[in-house]
Amino acid sequence: AQKITQTQPGMFVQEKEAVTLDCTYDTSDPSYGLFWYKQPSSGEMIFLIYQGSYDQQNATEGRYSLNFQKARKSANLVISASQLGDSAMYFCAITLSGNTGKLIFGQGTTLQVKP
Amino acid sequence: DTGVSQDPRHKITKRGQNVTFRCDPISEHNRLYWYRQTLGQGPEFLTYFQNEAQLEKSRLLSDRFSAERPKGSFSTLEIQRTEQGDSAMYLCASSFYRTQETQYFGPGTRLLVL
Repeated sequence: AQKITQTQPGMFVQEKEAVTLDCTYDTSDPSYGLFWYKQPSSGEMIFLIYQGSYDQQNATEGRYSLNFQKARKSANLVISASQLGDSAMYFCAITLSGNTGKLIFGQGTTLQVKP
Repeated sequence: DTGVSQDPRHKITKRGQNVTFRCDPISEHNRLYWYRQTLGQGPEFLTYFQNEAQLEKSRLLSDRFSAERPKGSFSTLEIQRTEQGDSAMYLCASSFYRTQETQYFGPGTRLLVL
């Protein structure tokens, strides 16, 4: 069964510093997609970044980058120059090619940015 | 606003009552997903539609739950005879099915069963 593990229940970072949120996954499927979503206290899930299993380059989207280490089955999210508005819950998720496209989520990491 | 919308945003009901939630996806999206999220957990898949066809249901979706997507547009999720364990956030997401499929979520409906 596919599984996503986020080992950090909570993280603190100083404003303007960079922070890395960990995510490891477990699948035997060679083709999959990895996603990161942000969930503020309002509850809406906001898409941040995507990495395909066959992508050669690490994905980047503005201040977000994904440190994809396929052999280690890890897909860590790096947020550079943290802002107060980055305080939220962050979820890593996986979807498999050829299936329904349903997302399997980890348990999330709460990030608090300190001024 | 062209994002995913959900109605109502909050619902409080008494145990045993029926509730219905609505989701309006992004207009050109052909896939629509329902997830349930309990406090402190990640969302869990419930069911999904491609156009009007319901193609998969999770075992989490007991027979008290039913979902529809008439004409492949909006979707409804109904819970009959609600139980306190149904209290959760119900999230809807939509996507356009292609090689890489990003799901965009609505604001969710928070259900509290008393």
